[in-house]
Amino acid sequence: KQEVTQIPAALSVPEGENLVLNCSFTDSAIYNLQWFRQDPGKGLTSLLLIQSSQREQTSGRLNASLDKSSGRSTLYIAASQPGDSATYLCAVSRGDYKLSFGAGTTVTVRA
Amino acid sequence: GAVVSQHPSRVICKSGTSVKIECRSLDFQATTMFWYRQFPKKSLMLMATSNEGSKATYEQGVEKDKFLINHASLTLSTLTVTSAHPEDSSFYICSARENTWNAGLEQYFGPGTRLTVT
Repeated sequence: KQEVTQIPAALSVPEGENLVLNCSFTDSAIYNLQWFRQDPGKGLTSLLLIQSSQREQTSGRLNASLDKSSGRSTLYIAASQPGDSATYLCAVSRGDYKLSFGAGTTVTVRA
Repeated sequence: GAVVSQHPSRVICKSGTSVKIECRSLDFQATTMFWYRQFPKKSLMLMATSNEGSKATYEQGVEKDKFLINHASLTLSTLTVTSAHPEDSSFYICSARENTWNAGLEQYFGPGTRLTVT
């Protein structure tokens, strides 16, 4: 069974600092990995999707890397802003599109 | 585009009653929808895969007679929590994939439904 772990569980940084969020998974036979953002009491917003054949994806201030062989992904958020405060979830998918989620990292960016 | 809605957003029901949650893909057709459950500060747990026109596929440990799923059309899936108990209180989220030959890998998530059973 796929286990997805996110460290740290919570993170508080001053505005402007870069954020580094980690995700690890036990079974490297994944189809793709996604990073999501979840605001309190809300649904999920997809941030980045990395296919298993890719090593990274970038969107604006966000960059996600994938090392499938070691079972790790890292989400980098450059120059953090208070609006980046949210919970960030990573999820891995098999070919059947079922997602296995980590518990998330709750980020607070202090103004 | 690719918007998924859920209704209701919040529901409070009494123990022993049943409650229905709807998941709709607003601007695309979805052959497959997924239902997840999320406990506070925990990860989302996949409950079942909802397939249009056929029976849902439940994950191990999920009671199919308690969590009834119906996917009657390409834009609507419903989850009915039958004989609800306080331990069923949770945040329920659905997701959907586009039903086109060139659909991407992404799933689109609804805003979630907060169920409280008193």
